Amino acid sequence: AQSVTQLGSHVSVSEGALVLLRCNYSSSVPPYLFWYVQYPNQGLQLLLKYTSAATLVKGINGFEAEFKKSETSFHLTKPSAHMSDAAEYFCAVSDYSGNTPLVFGKGTRLSVIA
Amino acid sequence: EAGVAQSPRYKIIEKRQSVAFWCNPISGHATLYWYQQILGQGPKLLIQFQNNGVVDDSQLPKDRFSAERLKGVDSTLKIQPAKLEDSAVYLCASSVRRGVDTEAFFGQGTRLTVV
Repeated sequence: AQSVTQLGSHVSVSEGALVLLRCNYSSSVPPYLFWYVQYPNQGLQLLLKYTSAATLVKGINGFEAEFKKSETSFHLTKPSAHMSDAAEYFCAVSDYSGNTPLVFGKGTRLSVIA
Repeated sequence: EAGVAQSPRYKIIEKRQSVAFWCNPISGHATLYWYQQILGQGPKLLIQFQNNGVVDDSQLPKDRFSAERLKGVDSTLKIQPAKLEDSAVYLCASSVRRGVDTEAFFGQGTRLTVV
């Protein structure tokens, strides 16, 4: 069985500060890992994904994440927060086949303070 | 390419009533998912289709929920009768695998309120 744990249900940062959202996964097989963003009353939008290629993955809107197998982590970072980054962020895992459904974490709500 | 289409966007019903949601996936996507997202939680898989066959419905409350994907394209999810705890956003997603690359695309969801 696969699972993800997102540390911190709510993270608040100042505009221009570093954003760090934490995700740890559990998987008995090589995982595929994803970060999605959800704005109010919207569906989920893919930010970035790890599918066994480069361990440092760059996504949209300046976000990136690093796959660390030894730490079973896939933390999301952005060097400088913007007001428009305020949203709910979800980490998700599937197996290397890519055909299994995504298993999501509980989400982290990011607030950006002016 | 057009995204995943869902309707309606919002629905309010009384408990014990029935409701149906519709999803049209991205053209060519063989895999279709229905997720339930309760307020403050991450999406939880209800059912996964591969073409018109069910791959995984282990978390679908089959006493009240049903889903079908006739002809392997669009899909409907039905709840009958609804309970208060069914209030949630129901998300439809579709995916396609190209080599080692895979990505699921989500619709905007249907927000269900049961009163």
